[in-house]
Amino acid sequence: GIQVEQSPPDLILQEGANSTLRCNFSDSVNNLQWFHQNPWGQLINLFYIPSGTKQNGRLSATTVATERYSLLYISSSQTTDSGVYFCAVEGRGRRALTFGSGTRLQVQP
Amino acid sequence: NAGVTQTPKFQVLKTGQSMTLQCAQDMNHEYMSWYRQDPGMGLRLIHYSVGAGITDQGEVPNGYNVSRSTTEDFPLRLLSAAPSQTSVYFCASSPFGGADEQYFGPGTRLTVT
Repeated sequence: GIQVEQSPPDLILQEGANSTLRCNFSDSVNNLQWFHQNPWGQLINLFYIPSGTKQNGRLSATTVATERYSLLYISSSQTTDSGVYFCAVEGRGRRALTFGSGTRLQVQP
Repeated sequence: NAGVTQTPKFQVLKTGQSMTLQCAQDMNHEYMSWYRQDPGMGLRLIHYSVGAGITDQGEVPNGYNVSRSTTEDFPLRLLSAAPSQTSVYFCASSPFGGADEQYFGPGTRLTVT
């Protein structure tokens, strides 16, 4: 099946810093989503982005489908950005998401 | 519009007991699925359904049953709980399941002793 790798596995930032999270996948995809899992365990949809670039406030994401990677940018990080960020993809011919292992982000005041 | 709801939020079972985790959505989505999340890991697919009356296995289906009698509901049954099934369970739905954005419920935290 399709493989999803996220990097870095852990990231510690000072409030106000910027960061880039990466997601590599091993095959063509129909769907790619970025999620934020907050400290209470809730999964929050950030982006549905099988290709192209999207922005939502301080967050933006870019997927280069031909090169099989996606990037999530967080600018001017805040303590509320802490949690785990997951990339999940839907491979062609499958109707389910395969998740990466996540990037655990800690933003310190 | 409540989105995807799951009950209960927390559950403790003894080994060998059975129970049903409930999942409902009010968005008229055709596609629903169940995932489990073990500590420090991403989510893994247990079962999914592309419409009422149609279900299929995911990556880790053993020990779980599902049925889909209505569009709105997709219950997950643990037949004989084992400690290895201690996990957080998430239900998700999307309009068609193919290249659609998926929406997740709040999760059920299950402990099997």
